[in-house]
Amino acid sequence: GQQVMQIPQYQHVQEGEDFTTYCNSSTTLSNIQWYKQRPGGHPVFLIQLVKSGEVKKQKRLTFQFGEAKKNSSLHITATQTTDVGTYFCNPGTYKYIFGTGTRLKVLA
Amino acid sequence: EAQVTQNPRYLITVTGKKLTVTCSQNMNHEYMSWYRQDPGLGLRQIYYSMNVEVTDKGDVPEGYKVSRKEKRNFPLILESPSPNQTSLYFCASSLWERADTQYFGPGTRLTVL
Repeated sequence: GQQVMQIPQYQHVQEGEDFTTYCNSSTTLSNIQWYKQRPGGHPVFLIQLVKSGEVKKQKRLTFQFGEAKKNSSLHITATQTTDVGTYFCNPGTYKYIFGTGTRLKVLA
Repeated sequence: EAQVTQNPRYLITVTGKKLTVTCSQNMNHEYMSWYRQDPGLGLRQIYYSMNVEVTDKGDVPEGYKVSRKEKRNFPLILESPSPNQTSLYFCASSLWERADTQYFGPGTRLTVL
């Protein structure tokens, strides 16, 4: 079955540092979505990538879909304490498979 | 306000005592799904439903049942809960044609003693 791995599992950064999480699939994906879950909260949809090599930006967040559509990344520039949470990738369509997530801690 | 609601939010129960966690959405979404979240394991899908009377197993369906008699409701049933079902449960919904963007409920924290 489809496998998704996210790395790293945990990341602690100083406020102002950049952060990147990677999502790798064993199979070619039709699309990939990213979600953020704040501590104690529920996952919230951030973005979807569909095209090979696609890059999308949301303020300090940059999302990228690999050329082979087997991997994706989320990069946060100059992290802030509000970025704290767990970031999940999700390559599924009707049968969702979430990655294990990357838990980000930002130290002020 | 568009939302997914779950009840109860917290539940402590004992092994073998049947329970139901309700999930309701007011967005007229066709697709609904249940997940459990455990430390180090991420979100794992239990069951999903593509429309009324259409349900299918996710990755971890053992020990759970669901039903979809109405479009807005998708209850999760634990006929005989066991301690390994202690977890944080999320319900989610989306439009079928936009099955990518799921809206999640606030979560139900279940403890089975």
